[in-house]
Amino acid sequence: SQTIHQWPATLVQPVGSPLSLECTVEGTSNPNLYWYRQAAGRGLQLLFYSVGIGQISSEVPQNLSASRPQDRQFILSSKKLLLSDSGFYLCAWSATREQAFFGQGTRLTVV
Amino acid sequence: GESVGLHLPTLSVQEGDNSIINCAYSNSASDYFIWYKQESGKGPQFIIDIRSNMDKRQGQRVTVLLNKTVKHLSLQIAATQPGDSAVYFCAEIGGATNKLIFGTGTLLAVQP
Repeated sequence: SQTIHQWPATLVQPVGSPLSLECTVEGTSNPNLYWYRQAAGRGLQLLFYSVGIGQISSEVPQNLSASRPQDRQFILSSKKLLLSDSGFYLCAWSATREQAFFGQGTRLTVV
Repeated sequence: GESVGLHLPTLSVQEGDNSIINCAYSNSASDYFIWYKQESGKGPQFIIDIRSNMDKRQGQRVTVLLNKTVKHLSLQIAATQPGDSAVYFCAEIGGATNKLIFGTGTLLAVQP
């Protein structure tokens, strides 16, 4: 069966520090991969979307970037975090035009 | 489109009553729709889905209705229980991309 792993679960980082959140999927090949951000009490905003290795679609201009170095690995990064980068970050995978499965999320607090 | 900047609307129901959560979508090319349930501090979990060639689909205690004419989706929960308290999101896929886009979300509060 397929599983998705996202870590860490919580993270507190100072303003200006770098960020690297990792997401890996097991049990499937060539998944669609997603990074979402959710502010407290809000909806899910799509940040990045990938249909294959090295293929990244950025949905909103921001201080973040994403990479997909391997088929089942999706990384969310920042060179210098801002206070506004705080939020709940969710990774997800899907087969084409099928439901997406979510990781447990990373609660990022920038201080 | 996405409304991620808005506070979540709330639906308050009594335990045992039926709940109806509504969602409007804007992309007429969307052809696959999903309802997710999100509990506090967790990732969204799949509830039920429907494709555009259907207008109704039933699961265990849940029913999804799709009205393509007015671009409206609803989730009906029968005999709502305290464990149903969560935020519910609709999501859509369609058009030229396979991106999964979420709606605003609704907070369902079940009163005992």
